[in-house]
Amino acid sequence: AQTVTQSQPEMSVQEAETVTLSCTYDTSESNYYLFWYKQPPSRQMILVIRQEAYKQQNATENRFSVNFQKAAKSFSLKISDSQLGDTAMYFCALSAGANSKLTFGKGITLSVRP
Amino acid sequence: NAGVTQTPKFRILKIGQSMTLQCTQDMNHNYMYWYRQDPGMGLKLIYYSVGAGITDKGEVPNGYNVSRSTTEDFPLRLELAAPSQTSVYFCASTMTGNQPQHFGDGTRLSIL
Repeated sequence: AQTVTQSQPEMSVQEAETVTLSCTYDTSESNYYLFWYKQPPSRQMILVIRQEAYKQQNATENRFSVNFQKAAKSFSLKISDSQLGDTAMYFCALSAGANSKLTFGKGITLSVRP
Repeated sequence: NAGVTQTPKFRILKIGQSMTLQCTQDMNHNYMYWYRQDPGMGLKLIYYSVGAGITDKGEVPNGYNVSRSTTEDFPLRLELAAPSQTSVYFCASTMTGNQPQHFGDGTRLSIL
């Protein structure tokens, strides 16, 4: 079985500053994928970034980057130059094993202050 | 491309009623999924399908049924609605396991 843990229920950051959202996971699979999804108040699920476990290089998408520590089973998301539009709930998710089923963490509510 | 389309967006049911949540995708994806999201929580998998004619249970399947007669459609049926099924329901699809899932906009369901 897979588990994903997001222990911080909420965070707040000043506009233009940097914030890091934490996530740890557990799986017995050797091949897996990790994702961060953003859910704004509109309720849509929007992919932020994806990391393939077999790649050592951390994924980057514009202002979003991850710190993937495979041995520690840690997958944190760093948001640089935070913008008001980044205010949302963020979910860490793991896809491992057959059938591409996603296991989600409980999410973290991020508020960006003007 | 419409992506993943869910209908309806909102619905209120009475206890014991039944209904079907519709999900269709136009990306020719093999894999489709139904999740529920309770307030302040992450998504939990209800059922999934790896192709037409093939379905399997997820983490929280009790009280639900699905079918997959075509690649495009994956409806979710509630037979006897219960208050515990009040939630937001998301349908998602993907082509393969190494690709992200595409989500619909969700259906907010209240059972009173």
